[in-house]
Amino acid sequence: EVQLVESGGGSVQPGGSLRLSCAASGFTVSSNYMSWVRQAPGKGLEWVSIIYSGGSAYYADSVKGRFTISRHNSKNTLYLQMNSLRAEDTAVYYCARAYGVANWFDPWGQGTLVTVSS
Amino acid sequence: QSVLTQPPSVSGAPGQRVTISCTGSSSNIGAGYDVHWYQHLPGTAPKLLIYGNSNRPSGVPDRFSGSKSGTSASLAITGLQAEDEADYYCQSYDSSLSPWVFGGGTKLTVL
Repeated sequence: EVQLVESGGGSVQPGGSLRLSCAASGFTVSSNYMSWVRQAPGKGLEWVSIIYSGGSAYYADSVKGRFTISRHNSKNTLYLQMNSLRAEDTAVYYCARAYGVANWFDPWGQGTLVTVSS
Repeated sequence: QSVLTQPPSVSGAPGQRVTISCTGSSSNIGAGYDVHWYQHLPGTAPKLLIYGNSNRPSGVPDRFSGSKSGTSASLAITGLQAEDEADYYCQSYDSSLSPWVFGGGTKLTVL
C-alpha cells in the first residue's frame, strides 16, 4: 500500500527550529517528486516546497531561505528543516508525492501540526 | 489571497447536483496548465478526486466530474450524499515564483 506518515510537529517559539519527517511506504521517495504543503488554521492549502527526483529543490517565497527540503534514500524518508520560524508558519504540514512538474499530488500524508508561539 | 478563486461555500440536498468553480488567470489555468481537485475532511489526508481536468482516479465514484474552459474549471457532484460533506480544493500550476497554486477551498454542506 502506498502511504505517507508525517512526524516531528510540535510547539516552538518564534525564531526556533523544527524538522519534519515523512516516511514513505509502497514507493521510493528518491525516484519521485516529493512536496510539502501546509494549511494554516482556518485557511486553505499552500504549497511550501518540492524536491525533484534529480535533487533540485524549490520553495515558496514565504519560506525561501528559512526552510530546507531533503531526503534520506536508505530510510525512504522526506524531511523539511524549518528555521527562523514565525507565527505565520503555524499550520498543519502535509507531505505528498507530486506526479511530475505541473501535475497533481497523490497520495498525501495525514499531516503534522506545527505551532509557533511565545 | 489564493491565486485560484473558489466560492467559500456551496450546499445542496441529498440527491441534488452541485458545482464548484475555480477561476484562475492567463498565468495558470489560461496558460494551458491542468486543474486537479481534492476532497479534504478536517484531520485527514487530502484525497485526489480529479486529475488532469477531468480524470478520476480508481475508486472515485463517477458522481464526481471535472471540466475546464479558458481560465476556469469546475467540479460537479451529482447525486449528493451526506458523506460528500467536506472541503474541496482546486490546484494548478502557475508561471510564477511559487508555481504550485491552490484555490482557497469550498466547503460543501449537504442539507
